[in-house]
Amino acid sequence: DTEVTQTPKHLVMGMTNKKSLKCEQHMGHRAMYWYKQKAKKPPELMFVYSYEKLSINESVPSRFSPECPNSSLLNLHLHALQPEDSALYLCASSQVVGNEQFFGPGTRLTVL
Amino acid sequence: QKEVEQDPGPLSVPEGAIVSLNCTYSNSAFQYFMWYRQYSRKGPELLMYTYSSGNKEDGRFTAQVDKSSKYISLFIRDSQPSDSATYLCAMSPNAGGTSYGKLTFGQGTILTVHP
Repeated sequence: DTEVTQTPKHLVMGMTNKKSLKCEQHMGHRAMYWYKQKAKKPPELMFVYSYEKLSINESVPSRFSPECPNSSLLNLHLHALQPEDSALYLCASSQVVGNEQFFGPGTRLTVL
Repeated sequence: QKEVEQDPGPLSVPEGAIVSLNCTYSNSAFQYFMWYRQYSRKGPELLMYTYSSGNKEDGRFTAQVDKSSKYISLFIRDSQPSDSATYLCAMSPNAGGTSYGKLTFGQGTILTVHP
């Protein structure tokens, strides 16, 4: 299995909602990442987990809360988002931090 | 000035053409170089991954890295309409330091291969 999967594919939420994005990989990778991508822009790194511990937080607002329950799973909890947070949210994994990263298909988030 | 510069295009070529995509960078700490292909509304797909200078070939794709000039290239031979996508270069520094493992992307080049 060489895939990174993400659910849901699409998500529409209001500014007062709480929702979660899920990412899973079964490649035995020990580094996992969250990125945000706006239209016609490259991905922007949000968080890095290494061996289930948060190692990089790119000064992301607290309305985004990452969680890594185990080595295969990565969640991104969303609360009180703003319309400008609408974007494609990408998860990636690599064998360890520094190795090549493999991306999932993304979750397209719309905040109303 | 951006750390990684990539011509956004768009680039339009006929089927069968050789395509050349390029990035320049300013950070001499970059040691790992990647090319990703991204179809519309999909996640980036890793095409090539190279360490330091040199060439790497995989099927119709060839990646070149010239660290002395801080310049990387991706060549696509016998281009196909299915190659139409956005191509992103990305790079990261060697081990050590707070930026290890962080990818710095170019802006992406939009490529269209027409039949």
